[in-house]
Amino acid sequence: AQSVTQPDIHITVSEGASLELRCNYSYGATPYLFWYVQSPGQGLQLLLKYFSGDTLVQGIKGFEAEFKRSQSSFNLRKPSVHWSDAAEYFCAGRSYNTDKLIFGTGTRLQVFP
Amino acid sequence: DVKVTQSSRYLVKRTGEKVFLECVQDMDHENMFWYRQDPGLGLRLIYFSYDVKMKEKGDIPEGYSVSREKKERFSLILESASTNQTSMYLCASSPVVQGWLTDTQYFGPGTRLTVL
Repeated sequence: AQSVTQPDIHITVSEGASLELRCNYSYGATPYLFWYVQSPGQGLQLLLKYFSGDTLVQGIKGFEAEFKRSQSSFNLRKPSVHWSDAAEYFCAGRSYNTDKLIFGTGTRLQVFP
Repeated sequence: DVKVTQSSRYLVKRTGEKVFLECVQDMDHENMFWYRQDPGLGLRLIYFSYDVKMKEKGDIPEGYSVSREKKERFSLILESASTNQTSMYLCASSPVVQGWLTDTQYFGPGTRLTVL
């Protein structure tokens, strides 16, 4: 069955430190992959997406993600975290031939000053 | 700018009441979606619609129905609310590009529903 897994429920980093949030997928063919961010009490905002082509994808707010087919991963990275990055992050995927997104369970990021 | 709005941010209802959650998008998107979000479970798809008066069941449609009479509006209906429907409800829309292939989903701010 198709699935998206975020192994880390909660991550804590210091402001200015680098960040990597993990996402693994299970699909028959290469899926379309997304990272969304949700600030407290808010809806989801798209950070970046991967459909095809260059496996390193740049997004908003200084985030990037790398698609690695061999590891079935699409990890989100940021070189230097800001306190305003504290939020919940969702990885999502869908097959090329369906409109249905499958979401991971989310990773809550806490940033200490 | 992309805009998806939901009628209420917070809603408190009693068990057995009929509840309407409204979602409006101003981007002329063909597809619209309703999700519920629960801690530890992520987002789960309830229903989606790819055209006016068209609907498809998602992963957890039981206890819910939907209505799409106009392209910009997609309503989620709880016919008889129960306490296990207490949750955050998120609406989303997405455009169709290249025939039927869809693009990114854009989300509203969510409605936190409490059923007492």
